[in-house]
Amino acid sequence: GQQLNQSPQSMFIQEGEDVSMNCTSSSIFNTWLWYKQDPGEGPVLLIALYKAGELTSNGRLTAQFGITRKDSFLNISASIPSDVGIYFCAGLDRGGSNYKLTFGKGTLLTVNP
Amino acid sequence: NAGVTQTPKFQVLKTGQSMTLQCAQDMNHNSMYWYRQDPGMGLRLIYYSASEGTTDKGEVPNGYNVSRLNKREFSLRLESAAPSQTSVYFCASSGRDRGAPLAFFGQGTRLTVV
Repeated sequence: GQQLNQSPQSMFIQEGEDVSMNCTSSSIFNTWLWYKQDPGEGPVLLIALYKAGELTSNGRLTAQFGITRKDSFLNISASIPSDVGIYFCAGLDRGGSNYKLTFGKGTLLTVNP
Repeated sequence: NAGVTQTPKFQVLKTGQSMTLQCAQDMNHNSMYWYRQDPGMGLRLIYYSASEGTTDKGEVPNGYNVSRLNKREFSLRLESAAPSQTSVYFCASSGRDRGAPLAFFGQGTRLTVV
């Protein structure tokens, strides 16, 4: 089946630094999603991408849908302590009227104040 | 708009007990999922339901059964709980939301098996 490789697995950064993480797939996705999971909570959708090459921002977060449709990138600028959490990428694949979700393993972000 | 609702939020079971985790979504999504998340690990797919009446095994289905009762509800059953099933369980649904394909999660069920 489809697999997503998300990297890095974990990051330790200082407050104010920029962060980059990415996700690559063995096959094409038509939709890429990025989620953040705070400790003790469920994943929350941050950004959705629908077109190859698309660049979408949500505050300090920017995500890109790779032109090959097999990868996606998430950048966080000027990190703050509340950015701490696990970030997941996901590909959403359409089969008829159904959509199937495939997740990356997550990137654990730690921000030192 | 409630999104994806899971019950219960917390549960402690004794080894060998059975229980059902409930999940309901109000977004008219066709697809629903059950994941488990162990400490320091990512989300592992237990079962997936592409549409009402269909279910498929995921990465870690052993020890679990599911039931897609209707389009809204997807339940996960542990027939004989084991300590290895101590985990946080998440339900998710995917489909078109105001025209755009999206997926959302519930808040999770923290299960401890002693």
